Amino acid sequence: KQEVTQIPAALSVPEGENLVLNCSFTDSAIYNLQWFRQDPGKGLTSLLLIQSSQREQTSGRLNASLDKSSGRSTLYIAASQPGDSATYLCAGGSNDYKLSFGAGTTVTVRA
Amino acid sequence: DTAVSQTPKYLVTQMGNDKSIKCEQNLGHDTMYWYKQDSKKFLKIMFSYNNKELIINETVPNRFSPKSPDKAHLNLHINSLELGDSAVYFCASSHVTRYNEQFFGPGTRLTVL
Repeated sequence: KQEVTQIPAALSVPEGENLVLNCSFTDSAIYNLQWFRQDPGKGLTSLLLIQSSQREQTSGRLNASLDKSSGRSTLYIAASQPGDSATYLCAGGSNDYKLSFGAGTTVTVRA
Repeated sequence: DTAVSQTPKYLVTQMGNDKSIKCEQNLGHDTMYWYKQDSKKFLKIMFSYNNKELIINETVPNRFSPKSPDKAHLNLHINSLELGDSAVYFCASSHVTRYNEQFFGPGTRLTVL
């Protein structure tokens, strides 16, 4: 059974600083790894999806890496802005239709 | 043009009542899911349907019954609501060949008093 952990649970940074969010998973036979953003009282918005054959994905200021051997994924957000304040969730996909979610890291970017 | 929609957004009800949450997707996907997000923010899969057929049924009380009238809809009916059922319920959908790339609805916050 895939278990996903995100540390820290909360992070506060000044505007302009780069953000580094960590995600670890227990089963290296991961099918893919997905990063989501959740705003308070809102649903989940998919940010990046990394297939198991890939090492990283980039979209604008966001870059996510995947290292299956160490069971880790990292989401980098460059030059953070107050609008980046949200909870970021990572989820490991398996070949049985299931996503295993971490509890998320709540980010606050101070203006 | 909402991709995955859920109704209602908020649901407040008394213990013992029966309630339903509806989900619809207009993405042309054939697989739909129900997740529960508890107070600690963990999202856990409850059910999944592929082309109206149940493919995932996690350890969920049988008071919860999903119903899929067609592949664009997956409703969740809950009987005899309990305090512990209070949570945010999310619907999601995906294409069968990309089943780990799931698109989520806005969630339904259920509060049982």
